Amino acid sequence: GESVGLHLPTLSVQEGDNSIINCAYSNSASDYFIWYKQESGKGPQFIIDIRSNMDKRQGQRVTVLLNKTVKHLSLQIAATQPGDSAVYFCAENRSNYKLTFGKGTLLTVNP
Amino acid sequence: EAQVTQNPRYLITVTGKKLTVTCSQNMNHEYMSWYRQDPGLGLRQIYYSMNVEVTDKGDVPEGYKVSRKEKRNFPLILESPSPNQTSLYFCASSLLAGETQYFGPGTRLLVL
Repeated sequence: GESVGLHLPTLSVQEGDNSIINCAYSNSASDYFIWYKQESGKGPQFIIDIRSNMDKRQGQRVTVLLNKTVKHLSLQIAATQPGDSAVYFCAENRSNYKLTFGKGTLLTVNP
Repeated sequence: EAQVTQNPRYLITVTGKKLTVTCSQNMNHEYMSWYRQDPGLGLRQIYYSMNVEVTDKGDVPEGYKVSRKEKRNFPLILESPSPNQTSLYFCASSLLAGETQYFGPGTRLLVL
């Protein structure tokens, strides 16, 4: 069946490095994608989103890239900090009434 | 402050004892949803509501009930909790269905 998935369940980086978290999706009809960050003991927090009519969107230290040809979504975090350590989820809007979430990637930032 | 609140944050109960987890949002959002989060399974949708008095099943609705009598509130009801409902529960809301959802802080439930 169709699903939102992640290439890597864990990612470990050094403080100051750039991080790239990947997500694959299989529904070509999905038109809206979101990245969430979930810190330990907290609810998922919105980071950045992108619509299918764009291929790149930038926020503060974060960039989301969308490659519709290969159905791939990535989150880039610049100059990763210890406070960035968390689980990151991608989500896609497959229909008008629900989002479908990936299982998440655990990002660990080493000092 | 715009937010989604849930109560209680932590709950230990016994099998069969009815419980309600409340959810409230102050953003005038039309869409609200409940999820459970389990290790290795990610976020799974239990029920959702497109608007007042409109609710529908998500992916894992068995054993749960919801109601949406007011726009801001969306309680989750477990009529007869069982140990397999031990989980971390999140309420979320969005302005409209399919848009960015904002999550509450979570309710950790243990059913003995």
